[in-house]
Amino acid sequence: KAGVTQTPRYLIKTRGQQVTLSCSPISGHRSVSWYQQTPGQGLQFLFEYFSETQRNKGNFPGRFSGRQFSNSRSEMNVSTLELGDSALYLCASSLPTSGSNIQYFGAGTRLSVL
Amino acid sequence: DQQVKQNSPSLSVQEGRISILNCDYTNSMFDYFLWYKKYPAEGPTFLISISSIKDKNEDGRFTVFLNKSAKHLSLHIVPSQPGDSAVYFCAASARGATNKLIFGTGTLLAVQP
Repeated sequence: KAGVTQTPRYLIKTRGQQVTLSCSPISGHRSVSWYQQTPGQGLQFLFEYFSETQRNKGNFPGRFSGRQFSNSRSEMNVSTLELGDSALYLCASSLPTSGSNIQYFGAGTRLSVL
Repeated sequence: DQQVKQNSPSLSVQEGRISILNCDYTNSMFDYFLWYKKYPAEGPTFLISISSIKDKNEDGRFTVFLNKSAKHLSLHIVPSQPGDSAVYFCAASARGATNKLIFGTGTLLAVQP
């Protein structure tokens, strides 16, 4: 079974631009969560989508948004990029009824904002 | 407010010995705990988890212990192998937000041959 796939792996943008990252979950997984990893703040939860609805949200500004499609694939968008948005963005998927809360992560998208 | 803390940024252990990684949490609503291993430029890989109704869970060389009264958990790796060298994160989630993982800051484990 294929794992969580994130595209692109690397991205370079300039301040003020916007960016869209994509995540394809493990087949059969309907929950997709996004995390940001930076050296200063560590791994921080952005939001979770389940059945095309945002179910949980972290403490990030409204410039960070996401969506989920009917096939469970998810995208996250960051508008008006700032230098501090440079980070590794990780997507994770999980089974809807596992009850064990295990999330499986993709390799991430490394975003550099210049 | 750091709800999940890993106070040791790094740990060095000899091959074949036991590695013990520690994690403390402050939120009493957490009811599920996980350990992940991460290599540079890769996503975290799930290792082992434990529910708050248990105090121990084993999987091969990995054992996680949970002390709810102390709000403390630990990961034991026995025996340690050079391939175990990586950053280890503990994470926690609360009922009602099961897929919102709160991560610790990580411990870099170096297993010396």
